[in-house]
Amino acid sequence: DAGVTQSPTHLIKTRGQQVTLRCSPKSGHDTVSWYQQALGQGPQFIFQYYEEEERQRGNFPDRFSGHQFPNYSSELNVNALLLGDSALYLCASSLGPGNTEAFFGQGTRLTVV
Amino acid sequence: AQTVTQSQPEMSVQEAETVTLSCTYDTSESDYYLFWYKQPPSRQMILVIRQEAYKQQNATENRFSVNFQKAAKSFSLKISDSQLGDAAMYFCAYRSAPDTQGGSEKLVFGKGTKLTVNP
Repeated sequence: DAGVTQSPTHLIKTRGQQVTLRCSPKSGHDTVSWYQQALGQGPQFIFQYYEEEERQRGNFPDRFSGHQFPNYSSELNVNALLLGDSALYLCASSLGPGNTEAFFGQGTRLTVV
Repeated sequence: AQTVTQSQPEMSVQEAETVTLSCTYDTSESDYYLFWYKQPPSRQMILVIRQEAYKQQNATENRFSVNFQKAAKSFSLKISDSQLGDAAMYFCAYRSAPDTQGGSEKLVFGKGTKLTVNP
């Protein structure tokens, strides 16, 4: 049973560029949440997707957008990258948005130079 | 808005000894969940233990147990018989109970405590 998988594991982008991160939820899970974890900090909620719609959103600018596909996988897009966007991006999946048991992927380390 | 505070940036413990990690939170909700997550160098967040606020009994999972003090809004994690594999960042997290009016399904994390286990 595959857990939550994220790709790529690492990437380096230049300021001003755009990036897409991908997440495949744990088998059977239909809800995906994204978190940003800056160095030395706890994760911060970006948004949650369920039934292909953004269900909740944290305090992040519109440069951060997402998508969920019919197979429940999800993408996180960040436009006009800033140096401050450098962080570990974590994806978590659950069976239903109300389920309190969330499983995390290993994250994507994004470095903006 | 809910907040979670972990006042110990770093802790260390001798192998086989016991260590307690502290966490306090702030909320006006009456029903919620609290979690301790472990994040080893592999970066993956692993759920250690979960406590439902309406349950008075403290949760336990093998060597891990919590001391949940609802009135004090305190939620500490005790690790007994510490092992080298316990070394990691530990995060305390909060989320509203499902179907809470105005509640959020997001996890709110503290800044974490780095635990070192000395052989």
